[in-house]
Amino acid sequence: DAKTTQPPSMDCAEGRAANLPCNHSTISGNEYVYWYRQIHSQGPQYIIHGLKNNETNEMASLIITEDRKSSTLILPHATLRDTAVYYCIVRPRGYGANSKLTFGKGITLSVRP
Amino acid sequence: DAGVIQSPRHEVTEMGQEVTLRCKPISGHDYLFWYRQTMMRGLELLIYFNNNVPIDDSGMPEDRFSAKMPNASFSTLKIQPSEPRDSAVYFCASSLWRDGSSYNSPLHFGNGTRLTVT
Repeated sequence: DAKTTQPPSMDCAEGRAANLPCNHSTISGNEYVYWYRQIHSQGPQYIIHGLKNNETNEMASLIITEDRKSSTLILPHATLRDTAVYYCIVRPRGYGANSKLTFGKGITLSVRP
Repeated sequence: DAGVIQSPRHEVTEMGQEVTLRCKPISGHDYLFWYRQTMMRGLELLIYFNNNVPIDDSGMPEDRFSAKMPNASFSTLKIQPSEPRDSAVYFCASSLWRDGSSYNSPLHFGNGTRLTVT
């Protein structure tokens, strides 16, 4: 029962912006959008999250549409080290029974030289 | 901070043997999660703890799996007896819930234990 939909893969050129899309059409008002990535042989790494406003940190920017049914993760200047599987996850606010972080298949980003 | 520390990094064992995976969460974190990753099923949540108490173990595949958290700085995941289908990478993650925060704090993952059961 996937709550997010991501294309299986994409690639981009090194130095260019990588725009990773995610659909979450059934998102509810108390759910956040989280992005994690997993580089080969490592554990998942938190990137960014947001509720309804666009967010930016040192790693990436997150653009959430006004209706919140989709979002885009932007890596402004992709490097070869950004090659990884990127997971878009929706997660309810607060802890307790809803605190599970459920990973889908993610999108494999390949950055080419 | 050293991050979430898991040991061993790799474990190879024979079917029927007991396997114990270990995790040291980030100091001060009050939530601990155990995940399993396989090619077929991706990342699956097995169990999570809050303040050392198991909250949800509905992801534990069967009675052969057990997890404990005797104190805030240590957790184990045990498989007894192990089977070849248990071969996977097992991840531990921890997080801190900030009381009154407007959002859940992110999970911090260790680098996993790669288990191979022959």
